[in-house]
Order: sequence, then structure tokens, then C-alpha cells
Amino acid sequence: DSGVTQTPKHLITATGQRVTLRCSPRSGDLSVYWYQQSLDQGLQFLIQYYNGEERAKGNILERFSAQQFPDLHSELNLSSLELGDSALYFCASSVTPAPGAVGNTIYFGEGSWLTVV
Amino acid sequence: DAKTTQPPSMDCAEGRAANLPCNHSTISGNEYVYWYRQIHSQGPQYIIHGLKNNETNEMASLIITEDRKSSTLILPHATLRDTAVYYCIVSGQGAQKLVFGQGTRLTINP
Repeated sequence: DSGVTQTPKHLITATGQRVTLRCSPRSGDLSVYWYQQSLDQGLQFLIQYYNGEERAKGNILERFSAQQFPDLHSELNLSSLELGDSALYFCASSVTPAPGAVGNTIYFGEGSWLTVV
Repeated sequence: DAKTTQPPSMDCAEGRAANLPCNHSTISGNEYVYWYRQIHSQGPQYIIHGLKNNETNEMASLIITEDRKSSTLILPHATLRDTAVYYCIVSGQGAQKLVFGQGTRLTINP
């Protein structure tokens, strides 16, 4: 158990709908990362938050948005869903916003499986 | 971040040492080598990291060549539970994300 909690574990929804994925980071971690993993692509970085502020943005679609709340939990909102959005969405956390920094191990949650039908 | 090259797949017999290579010829002086693994769609799991010295922890050993252009992750006594995709990542202090490549799919055979 990494200490990163993601809900829901599985979600099936229809095209055009909107869903929210939730992440609770490890206790003491201020930074949250979101990654997408689909069958034909590897782990793709979406976005990073640190202590409530957006720190880095990757290949995140405009239909997707995220935020980190004062209690440090984060939500990833996916709207106008398309079949191609079906994927495993991972949340990860670390103490600081520098994943390459020594001692700043990134811990991943077990992911949220999203199926769009 | 420097790019890494790993073989797409490898096999190893249970109980033997699994040696996973990684090339990172464009690594810069302040970049570390990180290894993560992902067991069947679970969240990636941190294994080990190093700068230039060899490192060992309870999970694995990391051997980095003197010129730092390549490294080898060693699982000393592989078990069936070590079957996973192993990712070699190079990242520096200023990086804001870990960039995952395709990794090596390691299969441990009984």
C-alpha cells in the first residue's frame, strides 16, 4: 500500500458525460501528479499540483481539468468524454514538486479505471 | 530529461538473477537514474535510484557504469512476483515530472 488513495477504482460512463476522479495523497505529501495510461500509449503525464497551485502541465486535454484543495486532496475532472478517453488514470504524490530531487520519491495510487461506452 | 533505451522484453528463470539494462547516453551530470516497476496495471512502484555509485536496497541493486551512459538493475533472486514492466528513468533536480518510456516487460518463468 503506497498510501495514495484513489476513488473510484472502476467507472463506466457514456460518451459526452463528465466524471470526477479523486485522489488523497500520502500523509505529509504536498505535491500531486496525474498520469493517464491507455493501451496504446504508455504512462502520460497530465498535470502536477503543489500545495494547491498548478506547477506543471503535460499532455492534458482542454476537456480535462484538475485542482488541489486546501486539505491537499486532488480531483481530476474529465468532461465531454470520448471513447478514446478510456484509460487507467493514476494519481501520485511526493513531498516536494521536484520528482527528480533525491529523497523525493513519488508514490503512485492503484489507479482509476475509466471505461467510456 | 535524458532519453533512455531499454529492451522491450526479457525472460528470467525463477531463482536466478535478473539483469535489466538501460542506456542513457545523453545523461547530464546532475541527473539521477531511477527505476520503477509496474505489476499488471497496478500503480508504478519505486525500486531504486542512483547518481554514479552503485546502490543496493532490499529490493534490488543498481550498477551504473563509470561514464554513466548505461546502468543495470539487478534483482538478485527473481520470483514469479517480480514479473512486471520495469521503467528506467533519468531525471534531474529541476524536473517537474517523471517521463516514463515503454520499459522492459520482464517475465519470470518457473
